[in-house]
Amino acid sequence: DVKVTQSSRYLVKRTGEKVFLECVQDMDHENMFWYRQDPGLGLRLIYFSYDVKMKEKGDIPEGYSVSREKKERFSLILESASTNQTSMYLCASSRPPGATASSYNSPLHFGNGTRLTVT
Amino acid sequence: LAKTTQPISMDSYEGQEVNITCSHNNIATNDYITWYQQFPSQGPRFIIQGYKTKVTNEVASLFIPADRKSSTLSLPRVSLSDTAVYYCLVGDEYGGSQGNLIFGKGTKLSVKP
Repeated sequence: DVKVTQSSRYLVKRTGEKVFLECVQDMDHENMFWYRQDPGLGLRLIYFSYDVKMKEKGDIPEGYSVSREKKERFSLILESASTNQTSMYLCASSRPPGATASSYNSPLHFGNGTRLTVT
Repeated sequence: LAKTTQPISMDSYEGQEVNITCSHNNIATNDYITWYQQFPSQGPRFIIQGYKTKVTNEVASLFIPADRKSSTLSLPRVSLSDTAVYYCLVGDEYGGSQGNLIFGKGTKLSVKP
């Protein structure tokens, strides 16, 4: 089974702090994603990466940056945390199309999330 | 990007079959339909995926009519542990790579004893 591990389940940070959320996957997946999930808004894509050192903005990249120095690790960075970034953050990974003969488009494998509170 | 519409919530009782329908009127020729399940305080989990007709696995069945403008996730004989939010997504094979998969608000299924 694919395992996507997020370094912290719960984090409490102060406004203005620089925050690092770490995600590691153990299945050699090329694609990695960061979502945030808020009540009533569903999951929203922040950033994604389809290869080492590659990154693409999602729907809500403002206030965030990412780093992908190694294939298995994808970090989300809050440069200066604000209270409106209090949320559940979910990391996911997947294979690119054609990598798996048995699947049409490779499903996303999610971690269990990091609940971040910014005070 | 194909947008999906699902009921916000559904209630059921243990042992019943549950059918959750998703509308995707603008589905493109290359799009597939994928369903995820999410329990509280966990990330979503892949359930089933299909392109047309019917797909069945050990967890659920997915029914897709010929026009593909909707799909129905069928959960046989639900139990309390099936209480979760269910998301319907449509996207082509590059959706994952290009971040084009859109999670809506999902359907919150509550199974009662």
